[in-house]
This record gives sequence, C-alpha cells and structure tokens, in this order.
Amino acid sequence: DAGVIQSPRHEVTEMGQEVTLRCKPISGHNSLFWYRQTMMRGLELLIYFNNNVPIDDSGMPEDRFSAKMPNASFSTLKIQPSEPRDSAVYFCASTKSGGQDTQYFGPGTRLTVL
Amino acid sequence: AQSVTQPDIHITVSEGASLELRCNYSYGATPYLFWYVQSPGQGLQLLLKYFSGDTLVQGIKGFEAEFKRSQSSFNLRKPSVHWSDAAEYFCAVANQAGTALIFGKGTTLSVSS
Repeated sequence: DAGVIQSPRHEVTEMGQEVTLRCKPISGHNSLFWYRQTMMRGLELLIYFNNNVPIDDSGMPEDRFSAKMPNASFSTLKIQPSEPRDSAVYFCASTKSGGQDTQYFGPGTRLTVL
Repeated sequence: AQSVTQPDIHITVSEGASLELRCNYSYGATPYLFWYVQSPGQGLQLLLKYFSGDTLVQGIKGFEAEFKRSQSSFNLRKPSVHWSDAAEYFCAVANQAGTALIFGKGTTLSVSS
C-alpha cells in the first residue's frame, strides 16, 4: 500500500507569494494531521481533520494559513502571503481514526521562503 | 497541560553498545505513549507504542521501551546499536482530547565506529 503522499517535496518561493502544499492520506484513514517542524519549536500540530471536518485548528499560526480537506483522499495547506519565518518542513500524517491511533507520516515538504 | 521532555538533545554511542533514550511526560490520566524515528530527509516512522497492559513494549528494529508510571517516564532502549540507527528520535504522548500527538523536541543519535 502507498503511504502518505505529499507534494511538492521541496518548495522555494519569495516572500509574499502564495504557497500550496498537498497531501494524500492512506486510503481508508479517517483522520489527517498537518504538522510543522522547525529547529526552534520542534514538531507542532497545525490542524487536525476527522472525516474531512476540521476538528482542531488551534495550532494554525495566523490567518495567513488555511487548510482544506475537500474529500477523504486529499488535503491542502495554503499560506498566503508567505513570509520567511514560515520556512520549515511541513508534514502530513494520517490515522485510521483519531489522534490516539498510530500516525503515519508523509515524507514532508521542505518550504523555503526567501 | 500535557508535555513531553526529552532531556538529551544529542547522544553518541559506539556501534554495538547499548542505548537508552530518556523521555518524561506530563499527563493526568493513563497516557498513550509513542516513540518515532526520523532519518535525515524522511518522515517519522513509528517504533513502538504503549496504550495499556504490559509496561515493557517491544517495537521494530530491536527497540523496546518501558513505561514507568511512578517516574512518568517512557525510556527507549536497544541492547546493541547499529550504525543504521543514527537518526533523530521523538517521544510523543496523545493529548487528552485524543486529537493529536504532543512531541518532545527529539534526541539526535550518532553512532561511532
């Protein structure tokens, strides 16, 4: 079975540009998570979806960040406008059900905002 | 609030030597605990997890961890380290709402020959 798929793997953009990160969870998984990893703050949960519905978005830094899950097999994380401090590795993870289940992580998207 | 502390930022172990990575958690009820490993440029992979029952948990790649409620610890161990074990290791606890994992800052393991 394919694992969690993320695209692009690397993204370099200039400050002020819109960035869209994509995630395809494992088929049959009902829960999806977006995390951000930085040296300073480690791994932080940004948002959690269950059955395509956002359940916890308290980790979303500010209004520049938005996430959607239009169906069970696709989610996006958008940053508009991007800023240099958004540079990080963004991970998507999925579970069969809920946050206490085993989370399967994608390979991540390394975002660099110049 | 729940939290996870990994006291060691970086550890170097000789190949073939034993390994113990420390993890302390703060949680009011019975925790769901996890250890993940991240190789350079890769996502996180689950090594093992503890939900209930036997406090000594076996995982993949020869790793084990022991849950000690009295010490609020969930230390990861391996009797003999291989060079391929060099990676970053994260301890995590599921939050009380069951909506996500709270991760420690990670411990980087280097293996010397």
